[in-house]
Amino acid sequence: KAGVTQTPRYLIKTRGQQVTLSCSPISGHRSVSWYQQTPGQGLQFLFEYFSETQRNKGNFPGRFSGRQFSNSRSEMNVSTLELGDSALYLCASSLAIGTGVGDTQYFGPGTRLTVL
Amino acid sequence: AQKITQTQPGMFVQEKEAVTLDCTYDTSDPSYGLFWYKQPSSGEMIFLIYQGSYDQQNATEGRYSLNFQKARKSANLVISASQLGDSAMYFCAMREGGKLIFGQGTELSVKP
Repeated sequence: KAGVTQTPRYLIKTRGQQVTLSCSPISGHRSVSWYQQTPGQGLQFLFEYFSETQRNKGNFPGRFSGRQFSNSRSEMNVSTLELGDSALYLCASSLAIGTGVGDTQYFGPGTRLTVL
Repeated sequence: AQKITQTQPGMFVQEKEAVTLDCTYDTSDPSYGLFWYKQPSSGEMIFLIYQGSYDQQNATEGRYSLNFQKARKSANLVISASQLGDSAMYFCAMREGGKLIFGQGTELSVKP
């Protein structure tokens, strides 16, 4: 079974631009979550999508948004890029069945975004 | 709010020896799940092992085992027979609703 895929793997943008990152979950997985990883802040949760609806949201400004399509694929968009948005953006998918505490998230390889 | 603490920023281990990576957590929920992930320099987070709060036995997955001490709120990862390919960042995480809360990670270096 194919793992989580993310495109593009690397991206260089300039301040003020916007960017869209894509994530394809493992087949059959219904939940997609996004995380930002920086050396200073570590791994921080951005949002989770389930059945095309945002189910959970982290503490990020409105410039960060996302969506999920009917095939569970997800996109994340960052508008008006700032230097501090430079990070590794990780997408994770899970089955999302049951009570949730044991619902394992499987991660993709990440998209490394550099904002100049 | 839940919290994960990893107090070892970096660790060294000799190849073929065992190593323990520490993780303590804080939660008031009676039901919770603890996870360990490995992140090589390539960036991908690789799931290693899971322990549920109600599991009676410590989780094991090949060379990985979890030393779960509920009363002490600790979930240490034990890697047996370390290999050079085990050199990576290791993160302990806890499920909180739909998201994972991560610790700061431990960088493990395996020496030949």
